[in-house]
Amino acid sequence: DSGVTQTPKHLITATGQRVTLRCSPRSGDLSVYWYQQSLDQGLQFLIQYYNGEERAKGNILERFSAQQFPDLHSELNLSSLELGDSALYFCASSAEGGEGTEAFFGQGTRLTVV
Amino acid sequence: AQSVTQLDSQVPVFEEAPVELRCNYSSSVSVYLFWYVQYPNQGLQLLLKYLSGSTLVESINGFEAEFNKSQTSFHLRKPSVHISDTAEYFCAVIYSGNTPLVFGKGTRLSVIA
Repeated sequence: DSGVTQTPKHLITATGQRVTLRCSPRSGDLSVYWYQQSLDQGLQFLIQYYNGEERAKGNILERFSAQQFPDLHSELNLSSLELGDSALYFCASSAEGGEGTEAFFGQGTRLTVV
Repeated sequence: AQSVTQLDSQVPVFEEAPVELRCNYSSSVSVYLFWYVQYPNQGLQLLLKYLSGSTLVESINGFEAEFNKSQTSFHLRKPSVHISDTAEYFCAVIYSGNTPLVFGKGTRLSVIA
């Protein structure tokens, strides 16, 4: 158990809909990362938050947004969903600082858009 | 662009045989290197990492990886694999400071009895 909790584990929704994925980081970790894993693209970095502030942005679509709350949990919002958004979405967290800090991953949320 | 290349998408190997999973990264002044493992229907778990010091790093379950700066490689090896090693293995790199991990596309290791 990595200590990172993601809910829900599975999500099935229709095209055009909006969903919210939730992540609770390990106790004490200030950084939260979101990744998308698909068969064709592999693991793609979406966005990172550090102590409530956006720190880094990767290949995140404009239809997607995220935030990190004062209690450090994070939510990833996916809107106007398309079939191609079907993927496994991972959240990871890491400690405050230090170069090369290890990231701990949750079990992922499998999103299926039909 | 910063990238990580895992040359083999699938590697089948017989039980108790040795295996090497290859990983190359784009050149940079300083990097931190990781191997993660993903078992079926599970999240990613850290297998081993190189931050500094000895270029040979080991995991608790018999895997090892060697950082080779001149070849920009961080290949993963195990002298004798078990059925339970069947999983997907991801090489990942932090290119500088607190930037996020950049992952390779993964190598699916299948151990055959």
